[in-house]
Amino acid sequence: AQTVTQSQPEMSVQEAETVTLSCTYDTSENNYYLFWYKQPPSRQMILVIRQEAYKQQNATENRFSVNFQKAAKSFSLKISDSQLGDTAMYFCAFIPGRNSGAGSYQLTFGKGTKLSVIP
Amino acid sequence: DGGITQSPKYLFRKEGQNVTLSCEQNLNHDAMYWYRQDPGQGLRLIYYSQIVNDFQKGDIAEGYSVSREKKESFPLTVTSAQKNPTAFYLCASSQRGKPSKLLFGSGTQLSVL
Repeated sequence: AQTVTQSQPEMSVQEAETVTLSCTYDTSENNYYLFWYKQPPSRQMILVIRQEAYKQQNATENRFSVNFQKAAKSFSLKISDSQLGDTAMYFCAFIPGRNSGAGSYQLTFGKGTKLSVIP
Repeated sequence: DGGITQSPKYLFRKEGQNVTLSCEQNLNHDAMYWYRQDPGQGLRLIYYSQIVNDFQKGDIAEGYSVSREKKESFPLTVTSAQKNPTAFYLCASSQRGKPSKLLFGSGTQLSVL
């Protein structure tokens, strides 16, 4: 069974500063995907960034980037130039790759990190 | 615009009552999913369906039922057997075989009266 751990229940950052959210996971799979989702107060679940485990290069989406350390099973999210609109819950999630059987269809989520951006 | 529509946004259930949450998508996705979110928690999978007339249980299927009679619709019924139904319910969909490209609806908050 896969597990995802987010060790920071809450964090805050000054507007325009940089913040890093931590995520570790445990799996015996070699092929999988990792995600960071954002859930603002509207509660809509929004995909921020996606990383495929077989890709060495860290994924980047504008101000959002990840530090993917496969051997350490670590997947942190860095938000640069933080904006007030970044205030939200952030969830790290894992899904096995396509050929991993029935579990391939199940996202496993961490418990989330509540990020507050302070003006 | 294509998307996933969940209704109602808020729903209240009385003791012993079954309630049904609606999920409709016009993305032409084959696969659809139901997740439950409790306060301070991530999402947990209730049921998923990869194709019409077929569905599979997730981790927490007890007290819930689903149907998949049409490609675009995947309603979730919360039965009276679900003793703790108060939660936020999210529906999602993806192309078949591509669960890594999930899109979510806006959710339904279910509360017990």
